[in-house]
Amino acid sequence: NAGVTQTPKFQVLKTGQSMTLQCAQDMNHNSMYWYRQDPGMGLRLIYYSASEGTTDKGEVPNGYNVSRLNKREFSLRLESAAPSQTSVYFCASSADRTIYSNQPQHFGDGTRLSIL
Amino acid sequence: KNQVEQSPQSLIILEGKNCTLQCNYTVSPFSNLRWYKQDTGRGPVSLTIMTFSENTKSNGRYTATLDADTKQSSLHITASQLSDSASYICVVSPMDSSYKLIFGSGTRLLVRP
Repeated sequence: NAGVTQTPKFQVLKTGQSMTLQCAQDMNHNSMYWYRQDPGMGLRLIYYSASEGTTDKGEVPNGYNVSRLNKREFSLRLESAAPSQTSVYFCASSADRTIYSNQPQHFGDGTRLSIL
Repeated sequence: KNQVEQSPQSLIILEGKNCTLQCNYTVSPFSNLRWYKQDTGRGPVSLTIMTFSENTKSNGRYTATLDADTKQSSLHITASQLSDSASYICVVSPMDSSYKLIFGSGTRLLVRP
């Protein structure tokens, strides 16, 4: 019963490098989300996908791109990494297409990304 | 600006004791209020979800309350255990968005033997 799986768990990049964070869920959920968590701050939404084939910007989308490859997978790409993108990145999924319902979001265990 | 403020920032209690964590929010109107538990190095895990019309919701030793008039919620932990050591995050979903959740910065709880 894996739930939400994120890879890699840790990554160190140099400024200007690119990389893709992978996320997969096995719960047949419709919605998927990418958040970042910084010290002393609440989680902030980067991008979300309400269903396969759709993606929309969240609160802090600049410097990121996403791809909803299929219903299971939702990837986050940093095209040219900057030190300000050093953070812990969480992927989440939920059954419904909106958050108005009482369906909880299920989170992965995060990717810890450091950009030097 | 919509905000979710939690207090205290950190708390230390002895095993077996009870504690209450506070959440004040200015988000209005909202569709639901959630509490999550986040263990160190792990992702958040849902504890309770309350709609704006609910006053209380329990999950084992965790009981969340909601007072929509004062815009306050609390999470009460009964008979604490060492495994309760974690961060507890209050989250509010504003009614004007179908996808957005506003997260508090959390209360870090340490339960000592």
